Amino acid sequence: QKEVEQNSGPLSVPEGAIASLNCTYSDRGSQSFFWYRQYSGKSPELIMSIYSNGDKEDGRFTAQLNKASQYVSLLIRDSQPSDSATYLCAVNNGGGANNLFFGTGTRLTVIP
Amino acid sequence: GAVVSQHPSRVICKSGTSVKIECRSLDFQATTMFWYRQFPKQSLMLMATSNEGSKATYEQGVEKDKFLINHASLTLSTLTVTSAHPEDSSFYICSARTSGGSTDTQYFGPGTRLTVL
Repeated sequence: QKEVEQNSGPLSVPEGAIASLNCTYSDRGSQSFFWYRQYSGKSPELIMSIYSNGDKEDGRFTAQLNKASQYVSLLIRDSQPSDSATYLCAVNNGGGANNLFFGTGTRLTVIP
Repeated sequence: GAVVSQHPSRVICKSGTSVKIECRSLDFQATTMFWYRQFPKQSLMLMATSNEGSKATYEQGVEKDKFLINHASLTLSTLTVTSAHPEDSSFYICSARTSGGSTDTQYFGPGTRLTVL
């Protein structure tokens, strides 16, 4: 079983709609959770971090964490074509030198 | 804050030569840096974890004698691809981790695109 799982997509949404990206993780002891955005040919860029259950909002982005169900999601409101990218979910299990595990990413396409 | 730089951004070399890539944390100290490789349309693959002042920890299947890592200071790690071959052509990305703890975060450099002819 993979540490962090994401639907690879592609996920297509029309401009202005809400894009919903989901991620599940296997280590119940995981402590912190991150969403990175990666444009084609570029390196990942951190867009959200979340550490406690519930929602965390930052502009058009909302991260949701449910530790009991072991999932974390990212909502993008009023999606724009510039949001088209691959979104990587990353989970920190709090132990060891390399304790950040990445999902394989979900490719999002926002259609104008 | 939390800016990570990489140099060079792009390199083209002949087969058999060695290439050094630098990764720097510009505004924070990073005791731990990570080196990733990403092939086209594939996900990030962790190659090694670089710890300041100690030997790097390599992931399974990554040749430590081919991919030399030196973490000389709290702001600099280097990856040297020795005797590069065309199959080493890839996008190499480093990341640096902010201070330890449950809320530490990894920030990525812009990546280095290596093409071996």
